[in-house]
Amino acid sequence: QSVLTQPPSASGTPGQRVTISCSGSSSNTGSNSVNWYQQFPGTAPKLLIYTNNQRPSGVPDRFSGSKSGTSASLAISGLQSEDEADYYCAAWDDSLNGWVFGGGTKLTVL
Amino acid sequence: EVQLVESGGGLVKPGGSLNLSCAASGFTFSGYTINWVRQAPGKGLEWVSSISSTGKDIFYADSVKGRFTISRDNAKNSLFLQMNSLRAEDTALYYCARVAYSSSSYWGQGTLVIVSS
Repeated sequence: QSVLTQPPSASGTPGQRVTISCSGSSSNTGSNSVNWYQQFPGTAPKLLIYTNNQRPSGVPDRFSGSKSGTSASLAISGLQSEDEADYYCAAWDDSLNGWVFGGGTKLTVL
Repeated sequence: EVQLVESGGGLVKPGGSLNLSCAASGFTFSGYTINWVRQAPGKGLEWVSSISSTGKDIFYADSVKGRFTISRDNAKNSLFLQMNSLRAEDTALYYCARVAYSSSSYWGQGTLVIVSS
């Protein structure tokens, strides 16, 4: 059971916009920022969004993040087949004194 | 080029021990907090432990507290994880990673630990 809650799956057709939610509590997403990671099978996670809505260099602007209260969202616009991957949210937890992750969302491009 | 290369994984019996290593290069290792993050087969990511740049501040997940010990050698750009009293549920791919609110995010490719009799 992950500390942050994500839907286990999401899907969309090419060109569509999809969103993935991430829900936490006052000790993690409520008081700290959220990062988002993208992971393809057999590879290490890659940072997609940091500090709620910042994109590292090289990440397409089709990817965007937002946070309100204890919930965060990752939005992917203009969905492409190569976006099919697992997506994880993460936040520092002040009570646990550690990073907590969501359970991951498997995105399928139909 | 930034590189984090983990080693030391393998097959170990329940109750046994392993010592993981992570060799860093391409960035100022001594300036960053580094973490161990694990991923059980087919499962999600789980943070295991963090150590600050100087080694002064150390944190563990409750699931490994008292059994695992994180350490680092900044002179050798290396991170370690001593794992004792291993359990079947510790079976996972262990990543050395910089997890932070920063664009400077670094992950190794992981080293596989299998705990089985």
